Amino acid sequence: AQSVTQLDSHVSVSEGTPVLLRCNYSSSYSPSLFWYVQHPNKGLQLLLKYTSAATLVKGINGFEAEFKKSETSFHLTKPSAHMSDAAEYFCAIKGGGFKTIFGAGTRLFVKA
Amino acid sequence: NAGVTQTPKFQVLKTGQSMTLQCAQDMNHEYMSWYRQDPGMGLRLIHYSVGAGITDQGEVPNGYNVSRSTTEDFPLRLLSAAPSQTSVYFCASSLLAGNDEQFFGPGTRLTVL
Repeated sequence: AQSVTQLDSHVSVSEGTPVLLRCNYSSSYSPSLFWYVQHPNKGLQLLLKYTSAATLVKGINGFEAEFKKSETSFHLTKPSAHMSDAAEYFCAIKGGGFKTIFGAGTRLFVKA
Repeated sequence: NAGVTQTPKFQVLKTGQSMTLQCAQDMNHEYMSWYRQDPGMGLRLIHYSVGAGITDQGEVPNGYNVSRSTTEDFPLRLLSAAPSQTSVYFCASSLLAGNDEQFFGPGTRLTVL
């Protein structure tokens, strides 16, 4: 069985400050891990993915995530938040089968 | 490419009614899936397909049927709608059934009264 846990349901930051969205995973396999973003009333869009290559993964819009096997974590970061980053973010895991399991989501608020 | 398209965007049903949510992709993707999104629960997999003629159950398949007669289309059928099926439904596809990213449609917001 595999699962992901997003540790914060809401995160609020000020524009220009760093963003940290936390995701822990559990898997019996070597997983692939993903971060998706969902803007209001839209479908999900891939930010970045980890598939057992480099542990530091760079994505779109300045986001990156680091795969840490020892901590079973895949946290999403961005050095400087922008108002347009306000959205909901989902961590997801896939491994050993055809199913992708999503976390419950973290809503990011960005204050001016 | 239109990507992944879903119809309708909104639907209101009465308890016991049946309906089909349509999903199509024009990217020749092998893998297609249906999710439902409920507040605080993320996305939960309903059914998926790894190719035409092949479907399987996800985490929450009860009350839903699917079929995959063509590569392009993957409709989701609600057999007898219940208020618990009120949700936002997303269809997604990926090139292969392995570890590729999924491309999502815009969603269908369904309300069952």
